[in-house]
Amino acid sequence: EAGVAQSPRYKIIEKRQSVAFWCNPISGHATLYWYQQILGQGPKLLIQFQNNGVVDDSQLPKDRFSAERLKGVDSTLKIQPAKLEDSAVYLCASSLAGVVYGYTFGSGTRLTVV
Amino acid sequence: EDKVVQSPLSLVVHEGDTVTLNCSYEVTNFRSLLWYKQEKKAPTFLFMLTSSGIEKKSGRLSSILDKKELFSILNITATQTGDSAVYLCAVEAIRGGADGLTFGKGTHLIIQP
Repeated sequence: EAGVAQSPRYKIIEKRQSVAFWCNPISGHATLYWYQQILGQGPKLLIQFQNNGVVDDSQLPKDRFSAERLKGVDSTLKIQPAKLEDSAVYLCASSLAGVVYGYTFGSGTRLTVV
Repeated sequence: EDKVVQSPLSLVVHEGDTVTLNCSYEVTNFRSLLWYKQEKKAPTFLFMLTSSGIEKKSGRLSSILDKKELFSILNITATQTGDSAVYLCAVEAIRGGADGLTFGKGTHLIIQP
C-alpha cells in the first residue's frame, strides 16, 4: 500500500509571497487532515476533510490560508501572503474513516519564510 | 480549549536504561489518547488507548491510561539508540464528525551509547 504523498519536500519563499502544498492520500481514504508543526511544537490541526467536504476548519487562519479537496482525493493547501511565523512543517494525514481506524501521516513539506 | 501537556520536554539517558514519558490532558468529550514516535518528519503510530488501567504493549514499549486522573505514561525498557526520537502524545475528542487530534509538544528522547 502506497503511503501519503506530499510535495514539495522543501520550500523557501520570501514573506508576502504565496505558496501551495499538495497531498495525495492513501487510495480509498475518505478523511484527510492538514497539520502545521512549528519547530519544537506538536502538530496543530488546520483542517479536516471528509471526502470533498470540510468537517473542521476552526483553526485555519482563513485570512491567508485556504485548502481544497476536489473530487475527494488530492488536496492542496495554500498560503497567501506568507508571514515569517508560517515557517513550519506542513503534514498531511489520511484515514479510512477517522482516528479509530488509524491514520497515516505523510513526510511533510518544510516551509521556510524569509 | 483542549490541552495536552507532556513531560519531560527532553530527556537524555544511556542505552539500556528504562524511561517513563508522561502525558496529562484536559479535553471535553474525551474519546482516545494516542502515542506517536517522530524521528524525521512523519509521526508513526505507537498506541491508541481508550480504557483506563489496561496496559498496551509492543515489544519494549508499553503504555497505560488513567481516565480518572487524566494522564497516560509511555514506558520504554532496555532502551536502544534507535529509540532516540520525539514522542508525541495526542488526544481525540468527540466533536460531531470532527476527529482531528490535539497534540502535546512532545518529549525529545536521546539515547546515548
